[in-house]
Amino acid sequence: EVQLVESGGAVIQPGGSLKLSCAASGFSFDDYTMHWVRHAPGTGLEWVSLISWDGDTTYYADSVKGRFTISRDNSKSSLFLQMDSLRSEDTAFYYCAKDLQDMTTIFDYWGQGTLVTVSS
Amino acid sequence: EIVMTQSPPTLSVSPGEGATLSCRASQNIGTTLAWYQQKPGQAPRLLIYGASTRATGIPARFSGSGSGTEFTLSISSLQSEDFALYYCQQYNNWLLSTFGQGTKLEIK
Repeated sequence: EVQLVESGGAVIQPGGSLKLSCAASGFSFDDYTMHWVRHAPGTGLEWVSLISWDGDTTYYADSVKGRFTISRDNSKSSLFLQMDSLRSEDTAFYYCAKDLQDMTTIFDYWGQGTLVTVSS
Repeated sequence: EIVMTQSPPTLSVSPGEGATLSCRASQNIGTTLAWYQQKPGQAPRLLIYGASTRATGIPARFSGSGSGTEFTLSISSLQSEDFALYYCQQYNNWLLSTFGQGTKLEIK
């Protein structure tokens, strides 16, 4: 059974940093592109970032480019999101999601999410 | 950015009846459309991709149709576990993928 478990969400002040983690199991983690998707209160879902199976290719939504960094450790089946210069508009549930194939941006499995609240 | 508009925002249906949810794209996306279901406190679940292909393990009562700018998710013979939030997503431009605001399917 595929499982994705996020952790690291917290209440953080504007301008602060936070690192999210996602522990994956039940599939060959190093075969798949992985993503972060967020859902802010009162707004729709927003794709945030992706990383290729080998970590060599990364992409970001314009809203987080230059502030967030995605990474992975295939030896530990783990995905990460380093978030710097956090803003109030980054407040959201952050989901780790597995790509259906190779960079399709179709998300066939999601975690339960971890809540990030940016507030003073 | 491609804007996805879902309608209605809320749909009230009795168990055992069918439901039709709509999703409109602001420009032609071919069949690069997916549908997801989300229940409170749970992870979203992929239902349909390619506008009409059911994901692994999804019951046959869920079906998707459409192409271009107009898409439909149909659920026949609603069961209690089907009452949830439903989102559509376009991935035509896969780095600028966008979601609709969702339709809440509630028990009438």
